[in-house]
Amino acid sequence: GQQLNQSPQSMFIQEGEDVSMNCTSSSIFNTWLWYKQDPGEGPVLLIALYKAGELTSNGRLTAQFGITRKDSFLNISASIPSDVGIYFCAGLRMNRDDKIIFGKGTRLHILP
Amino acid sequence: DAGVIQSPRHEVTEMGQEVTLRCKPISGHDYLFWYRQTMMRGLELLIYFNNNVPIDDSGMPEDRFSAKMPNASFSTLKIQPSEPRDSAVYFCASSLLRGGGEQFFGPGTRLTVL
Repeated sequence: GQQLNQSPQSMFIQEGEDVSMNCTSSSIFNTWLWYKQDPGEGPVLLIALYKAGELTSNGRLTAQFGITRKDSFLNISASIPSDVGIYFCAGLRMNRDDKIIFGKGTRLHILP
Repeated sequence: DAGVIQSPRHEVTEMGQEVTLRCKPISGHDYLFWYRQTMMRGLELLIYFNNNVPIDDSGMPEDRFSAKMPNASFSTLKIQPSEPRDSAVYFCASSLLRGGGEQFFGPGTRLTVL
């Protein structure tokens, strides 16, 4: 079945550093989504991407829809303590079997 | 907007007991999804509904799991009988878009089966 490979699995960074994470697949997707999950809460949508090559920002977050439609990237600039959490990518194909597929997540830790 | 509401937030039960998880989606959303999250398997889609009709339940692990959506503002996920391996966080999500592109998640129910 379809799978999303999200990397890295976890990251340990210093406050103020920039962060990059990505998601790849062997399948083509029409939509890429990035979610963040805080401890004890449900995932919250950060950015949605609908077109190959699209680059979208939400504050310090920037995400890109890969040109091959098989990957997506999320960057966080100048990290702050509240960025700690799990970041999930998700992909969606508009076929009959159009279920959203989630990656396993990237766990972001910020060192004091 | 209250967002997706789930209850209970925490449930501790003994193996063999029936468990019912509840969800109220965002008003006006046509799609409702049930997920299970564990460390080992991540977020797994169990079932989703469109306009109260189950569309795909291929993620439901076994016959012990069942889900209903009697109306547009309420859904239940039932496990009977429960087993320790069912321990997980169960999320309900709802969306407007076809295929559930932009989903809004509830806070989850943390289920522990002893």
